[in-house]
Amino acid sequence: EAGVAQSPRYKIIEKRQSVAFWCNPISGHATLYWYQQILGQGPKLLIQFQNNGVVDDSQLPKDRFSAERLKGVDSTLKIQPAKLEDSAVYLCASSLRTDYEQYFGPGTRLTVT
Amino acid sequence: LAKTTQPISMDSYEGQEVNITCSHNNIATNDYITWYQQFPSQGPRFIIQGYKTKVTNEVASLFIPADRKSSTLSLPRVSLSDTAVYYCLVGPWMIKAAGNKLTFGGGTRVLVKP
Repeated sequence: EAGVAQSPRYKIIEKRQSVAFWCNPISGHATLYWYQQILGQGPKLLIQFQNNGVVDDSQLPKDRFSAERLKGVDSTLKIQPAKLEDSAVYLCASSLRTDYEQYFGPGTRLTVT
Repeated sequence: LAKTTQPISMDSYEGQEVNITCSHNNIATNDYITWYQQFPSQGPRFIIQGYKTKVTNEVASLFIPADRKSSTLSLPRVSLSDTAVYYCLVGPWMIKAAGNKLTFGGGTRVLVKP
């Protein structure tokens, strides 16, 4: 079974630029999550989708971050404009349902200079 | 969600048993204890989960005392490839209304030396 796919794996941008990350969850998984992991810390949930609807986005900085999952399959997380403190690994995870085990992708490492 | 406390780091040697204790004094009746493992440059991976007493799988064992205020992850006979960060999470599981929200702490960095 293919795992969660993410691209790009690495991205370097300057502050105030915009960036987008893509995630393709495991086939058939209805729930999709985006996490932010700052170096030396555990992952922090940014947003959770159930199919194409948002379940929880309480920790998403909505003034600069946005995410969508239009067809209930793959998802895009965007940052515009980026700040230095956005440097982190952005992890995507998926689960069969909201009450099932989460499977994580390899992440996208973002460096903002 | 219950707050967890675990050691920041631990060193061990190949072939030894590694025990990581996690404190969760405010664990609720519906909460399960779940451990994730994260290798460098990878996302976390589920390794074990339990509610009470002992749970064992092919990777690890999880010991939970009767009061459930702490738990111990045991990794038998570790190898160099077990070097990773191990996260203890406490929260409701398999309950749709809870949304299975995972709250990660800082984790325990385990370094296995030759």
